[in-house]
Amino acid sequence: DQQVKQNSPSLSVQEGRISILNCDYTNSMFDYFLWYKKYPAEGPTFLISISSIKDKNEDGRFTVFLNKSAKHLSLHIVPSQPGDSAVYFCAARGWNYGQNFVFGPGTRLSVLP
Amino acid sequence: GAGVSQSPSNKVTEKGKDVELRCDPISGHTALYWYRQSLGQGLEFLIYFQGNSAPDKSGLPSDRFSAERTGGSVSTLTIQRTQQEDSAVYLCASSLEAWGQGEAFFGQGTRLTVV
Repeated sequence: DQQVKQNSPSLSVQEGRISILNCDYTNSMFDYFLWYKKYPAEGPTFLISISSIKDKNEDGRFTVFLNKSAKHLSLHIVPSQPGDSAVYFCAARGWNYGQNFVFGPGTRLSVLP
Repeated sequence: GAGVSQSPSNKVTEKGKDVELRCDPISGHTALYWYRQSLGQGLEFLIYFQGNSAPDKSGLPSDRFSAERTGGSVSTLTIQRTQQEDSAVYLCASSLEAWGQGEAFFGQGTRLTVV
């Protein structure tokens, strides 16, 4: 049973447009969320995070929104660039999970020039 | 080195053989994690080391899996009597302190194929 779901395996967006990647979770104990991106043959790299006490966190072109009541978060990339093409993982942690994060299966983003 | 280093990058082994995967974390990082990613799946937590504390082994899928971290630095993940379902990319990550906030740094992974 996946506790962190990314229901879109892939997403294609035109360069300059907005990319919206979605993530849903089932465990109401999750209180901290991360987004990582991964290029082929490389390890995942940290992108942005959000704590459950916030509903929005922004860093440059990247904004993460958290809707606790819906157990949903999304990553917005504006404007999208070809270099953003990668697999994006959503991850969540809760007080009862110790120090490890639960990762979603990832969404492959393709930004078309 | 500047980042987390894993070796080998690729490993093909026959079913039933033992394998060892190595992780060199970033110098000074006290926390080290092993994850694996099977095809089409998210990253699955395996084990976590923090300083001199007893490791959190709650994610190890079976007793064929074990890991150690010597001298608080290099870690080795050992899989005994490998099975085809062990085929996955094994990722190591380290962080300065316990991964409570902010980021952990991942290595490039070891792709294990059991034939």
